[in-house]
Amino acid sequence: AQSVTQLGSHVSVSEGALVLLRCNYSSSVPPYLFWYVQYPNQGLQLLLKYTSAATLVKGINGFEAEFKKSETSFHLTKPSAHMSDAAEYFCAVSDMAGNNRKLIWGLGTSLAVNP
Amino acid sequence: DTGVSQDPRHKITKRGQNVTFRCDPISEHNRLYWYRQTLGQGPEFLTYFQNEAQLEKSRLLSDRFSAERPKGSFSTLEIQRTEQGDSAMYLCASSYGLAGTETQYFGPGTRLLVL
Repeated sequence: AQSVTQLGSHVSVSEGALVLLRCNYSSSVPPYLFWYVQYPNQGLQLLLKYTSAATLVKGINGFEAEFKKSETSFHLTKPSAHMSDAAEYFCAVSDMAGNNRKLIWGLGTSLAVNP
Repeated sequence: DTGVSQDPRHKITKRGQNVTFRCDPISEHNRLYWYRQTLGQGPEFLTYFQNEAQLEKSRLLSDRFSAERPKGSFSTLEIQRTEQGDSAMYLCASSYGLAGTETQYFGPGTRLLVL
């Protein structure tokens, strides 16, 4: 069975500091991995996805993530945090067993950005 | 393309009442998913439609829950005899394709509170 684990339910950074949100996956097949962001009272929005092409994936709002098979990781980074980045971030893997392709989610990481 | 819409955005009901939620996916998206999200958790898969066929239901979906997608367009999720444990955010997502790499686009969700 596939799964993702997000290390750290809460991360706090200063404005302008590096953002690092951790995600590790478990999968017996090559995974398709996603990062979504959820702002308060809004729906989930795709930040970026890994689909077995380039291992370094660039997304919206200056975020990027690197797929590392040897570490089974797909950590999300942003060089310089902005106040508007404060939100809940979810890592997910596409379920490749069967045909439904549902997303299997981590518990999320709440990012706070301090002035 | 107006995105995925859900109605209502908020619903407060008394225990034992029936509620129905509606999801309008992005037009021509053949896949439609329902997820449930409780506070502090990632979304959990409930059910999946490919066109009008409901192809998978999670064990989370008790017999009080029913979902339909007539004519492969909008979808409804009904909860009968609501319980306080049903209080959650109900998310709808749609996508197009079969590979597992396609993006799921989410609606804003329906927040249900059962008193």
